[in-house]
Formats: sequence, structure tokens, C-alpha cells
Amino acid sequence: GESVGLHLPTLSVQEGDNSIINCAYSNSASDYFIWYKQESGKGPQFIIDIRSNMDKRQGQRVTVLLNKTVKHLSLQIAATQPGDSAVYFCAENYGGATNKLIFGTGTLLAVQP
Amino acid sequence: DTAVSQTPKYLVTQMGNDKSIKCEQNLGHDTMYWYKQDSKKFLKIMFSYNNKELIINETVPNRFSPKSPDKAHLNLHINSLELGDSAVYFCASSQTSGNQPQHFGDGTRLSIL
Repeated sequence: GESVGLHLPTLSVQEGDNSIINCAYSNSASDYFIWYKQESGKGPQFIIDIRSNMDKRQGQRVTVLLNKTVKHLSLQIAATQPGDSAVYFCAENYGGATNKLIFGTGTLLAVQP
Repeated sequence: DTAVSQTPKYLVTQMGNDKSIKCEQNLGHDTMYWYKQDSKKFLKIMFSYNNKELIINETVPNRFSPKSPDKAHLNLHINSLELGDSAVYFCASSQTSGNQPQHFGDGTRLSIL
């Protein structure tokens, strides 16, 4: 389970609502971005990625939006389900050819039934 | 048919000991990584190997030494363990070292007594 005293930014939503998780990235030269989902006791699980030559990409129930002007990334989850409850991380490729990912601090998504 | 597998899942040991964590991927990927996740869930890259060659070597104590016997394996050896080494260590792999999603194992939780 979560550590005592862990204070991640938390987004609480009702089941069936849409969720939007936001992320600010740091390097204007980063050209690849990924969203990961991490459930308790598991490793980060790839959700969706986007390259810097795009501003929107859609997957199944998820959409990633990229705003390079303000260095902002968002993950939209449609019709949020209890199984979506997890910590969500954005990551930027800081290192180009070396695929050096820099992770954000994470957002805890809590889905209320 | 686990894609990225790490052993052991839990490691409890005394300060000053030397320990190793093993990682294997069966995805046929060329690139493997080690990350450290602290108690605040912050995930930080430590090392990366591409085809057995070290390509990312972040500022970590030289008590940490990665070894890649072949491109499907990346092990992490830690000498003279300290209290601050307590964390969850994740192995990951990607198809190549460019803009590619990284796939994570489920982590090794290291606790130093």
C-alpha cells in the first residue's frame, strides 16, 4: 500500500466521470513524452506516448494533449472506472538518442464508486 | 511469460552488506535500464545499457555497479549498503535507445536494517 505520510497531488473523481491529469515538463528540447500508470506494488505500466511533432494522440479511453508553448502535457481518461485508480506519471525524454526519461512527481487518481 | 522480471522481489539486509538484484527481459529489446523509486514515489534513472554498452550513467554512488552479461540481462550490484539505499529498484527495457516506450518490471523492494 501507500507509505504513511506520502502526500502526492490527488485527483478524486466519481466513477463514470472523465478525468484530466496535468503535468508540466521542464526541457523545451524534449521530443518524446509518455504517460505511465502505477498500481500499488507494481511497476509503471505504459499507457500512451506522444512525439513533439503532434499535439494530440488518442488511445482506448485515453487522450494525451501536448502544448509545447507552455510545456504542458495532459492525460484525459474517459468514463473513469475503479480499475483506473493508481498513481499516474508523465515522463519526458531528456536525452534524445539515449532515451533518458525524466519523470514527474506523480498524481494519485482516486475513483469513487 | 513475464516480459521484464526482477529477482528478488523483496530484499531485507543489514547495513554494510553487499547485494545483487537481477533483471531479465524476454522481449528481444536492445536497451535496459535501472531506476530508483524513493518513499515519495519519485522515480529516477540510474543506468542504461544498449546492447551491453553503458549509455546512461547518472550521478550515483560508485557503490552501485551495473553489469550486462548479454542484452537480455542487466544486473545491479550494490556494495556496502547504507540506510539511504532503502527504496524500490525498477528494471526496464525498450526496443532501442531512441524515442521508445520503456517497459518496467515489478520492482525489488530493498530494506536496509
